[in-house]
Amino acid sequence: NAGVTQTPKFQVLKTGQSMTLQCAQDMNHEYMSWYRQDPGMGLRLIHYSVGAGITDQGEVPNGYNVSRSTTEDFPLRLLSAAPSQTSVYFCASSYLGTGKNTIYFGEGSWLTVV
Amino acid sequence: AQKVTQAQTEISVVEKEDVTLDCVYETRDTTYYLFWYKQPPSGELVFLIRRNSFDEQNEISGRYSWNFQKSTSSFNFTITASQVVDSAVYFCALSEVGNAGNMLTFGGGTRLMVKP
Repeated sequence: NAGVTQTPKFQVLKTGQSMTLQCAQDMNHEYMSWYRQDPGMGLRLIHYSVGAGITDQGEVPNGYNVSRSTTEDFPLRLLSAAPSQTSVYFCASSYLGTGKNTIYFGEGSWLTVV
Repeated sequence: AQKVTQAQTEISVVEKEDVTLDCVYETRDTTYYLFWYKQPPSGELVFLIRRNSFDEQNEISGRYSWNFQKSTSSFNFTITASQVVDSAVYFCALSEVGNAGNMLTFGGGTRLMVKP
């Protein structure tokens, strides 16, 4: 029972480099999302998806792209990394619909941009 | 827009003390969900509880209890007889049913340190 799997767990990037954070879930959840966690600010929503082929922006989408080609995968792309994107990133998934929306988080990806 | 405030940024207690973590929220929706998550030093987020806005009953799970008061827009979390293993950052979060209850707005978190 893997749940929500994120890779890599740690990454150091140089300013301007690109990379993709991978997220996969094996629970057949419709809803997937990405959050970033910064000190004192809790977690903030970057992008989310309610199903394959459907994505939308959250609170802090600038500098990030997402796609959802399958139900299982929801990668987060940084096209040109900036030091302001140094953060801890969490992927989350859940079923859609009220009453069954317990949200499961991955273990986090620590990203440093130098 | 919704907002969650955890006014206590850090709390330090001695083992076996009771401690209450405060959470105050703002929302225009009449139907919403409230959550608590624990983030231990290892960094993962551990789900503790989900409560919908129609259910104001307090809940107890072992040493944990939650007090939901709609009149004051608060969802406080109490740990009884705290233990060193309770040391973590605790997040309160809100989700409005209008978005199928999946988009979370988090508070800034409360760091709890339990000293032996």
